[in-house]
Amino acid sequence: KNEVEQSPQNLTAQEGEFITINCSYSVGISALHWLQQHPGGGIVSLFMLSSGKKKHGRLIATINIQEKHSSLHITASHPRDSAVYICAVPMNYGGSQGNLIFGKGTKLSVKP
Amino acid sequence: AAGVIQSPRHLIKEKRETATLKCYPIPRHDTVYWYQQGPGQDPQFLISFYEKMQSDKGSIPDRFSAQQFSDYHSELNMSSLELGDSALYFCASSLVPAGGISTNEKLFFGSGTQLSVL
Repeated sequence: KNEVEQSPQNLTAQEGEFITINCSYSVGISALHWLQQHPGGGIVSLFMLSSGKKKHGRLIATINIQEKHSSLHITASHPRDSAVYICAVPMNYGGSQGNLIFGKGTKLSVKP
Repeated sequence: AAGVIQSPRHLIKEKRETATLKCYPIPRHDTVYWYQQGPGQDPQFLISFYEKMQSDKGSIPDRFSAQQFSDYHSELNMSSLELGDSALYFCASSLVPAGGISTNEKLFFGSGTQLSVL
């Protein structure tokens, strides 16, 4: 069974700062998910990646399969980026992609 | 574009009552996953369906049951509700690629149903 660790748990940044959130997992995976959850619960899938790097706007996600580590970067952070960012991986390698183990999340607050 | 729709958005029930939550996947998506997130807790996977059959099972209590219908929407039925069942219940949908190999399916999440048991 996979285990996921995220850091930091809480992060406060000034608008414009570069932000990095880290995720480590214990068992080999085929893909890793980065999710965003705003107050009120709605979850948005930001990235699903299995190798290398993906970029979407100001968001960049990287993964190192050998080191079992992924990072989510936010460039030029903005107060609207304030949310909880969650890393999630499949519980079992080769298993259902939606049977996920979730990290405890990183609560990001970006101050104007 | 159509997203994953969940209803109701909020639900208040008394202990020992029953509740039914609904999840409407993105059109043509054939897989639905259910999750439970207690206050201040990590989400937990409950159960999933692929092509109307249960495909995987997580930490779903025996008091809960779920099914997927011919139009691919899914319902989570919860009986004998307990205070500890108060949580955000959200679902996700995906389209499993041809051949049924699910290693790279992208997930789309609903906004969830906030259940409060009093």
